[in-house]
Amino acid sequence: EPEVTQTPSHQVTQMGQEVILRCVPISNHLYFYWYRQILGQKVEFLVSFYNNEISEKSEIFDDQFSVERPDGSNFTLKIRSTKLEDSAMYFCATAGGSYEQYFGPGTRLTVT
Amino acid sequence: SQQGEEDPQALSIQEGENATMNCSYKTSINNLQWYRQNSGRGLVHLILIRSNEREKHSGRLRVTLDTSKKSSSLLITASRAADTASYFCATTGSGGYQKVTFGTGTKLQVIP
Repeated sequence: EPEVTQTPSHQVTQMGQEVILRCVPISNHLYFYWYRQILGQKVEFLVSFYNNEISEKSEIFDDQFSVERPDGSNFTLKIRSTKLEDSAMYFCATAGGSYEQYFGPGTRLTVT
Repeated sequence: SQQGEEDPQALSIQEGENATMNCSYKTSINNLQWYRQNSGRGLVHLILIRSNEREKHSGRLRVTLDTSKKSSSLLITASRAADTASYFCATTGSGGYQKVTFGTGTKLQVIP
């Protein structure tokens, strides 16, 4: 069964550093999403992306965040200057023709 | 209340018993999904029920959906210690490729 993959599985970074989280969508999926989950809390929507544009973003997704599909396959989330409160699990999800979103295994980001 | 709230927040049962978790939501939906998450790990998709469905089964899982009450329930029969995890309901709004909104989760403990 096709899967969404994410790299790295765990990223440790220092406060103020830039990080890029990567997602490889299921082939032929055209809708992409990022979510995050702070430890012990619920999963929160960050942003949706379609046709090389942001479709919707939440209040969390401020100017420190950006998304892109740099090479037509990977889907990335960049955090320009990480803060301690960015420590969380970040999930990528993709969707095709059935609206159903398939979630990746997540990247655990630890900001020290 | 928020979109996607589960109750109870925590549930402790003996192995072999049934576990029932409930979820309520506020807006109209395209589908509702249930996920399992072991502590600090990724999301495991359990079952999806569409807005025009009322009940769905998958192995030991039974999900019901009542769109008139905007509620769903997840029943796990003959629970096992390995079922110990957090369970989240997640709704996708009607109207296409909407974001998924997660509930606050039920923490299930199955005592061997």
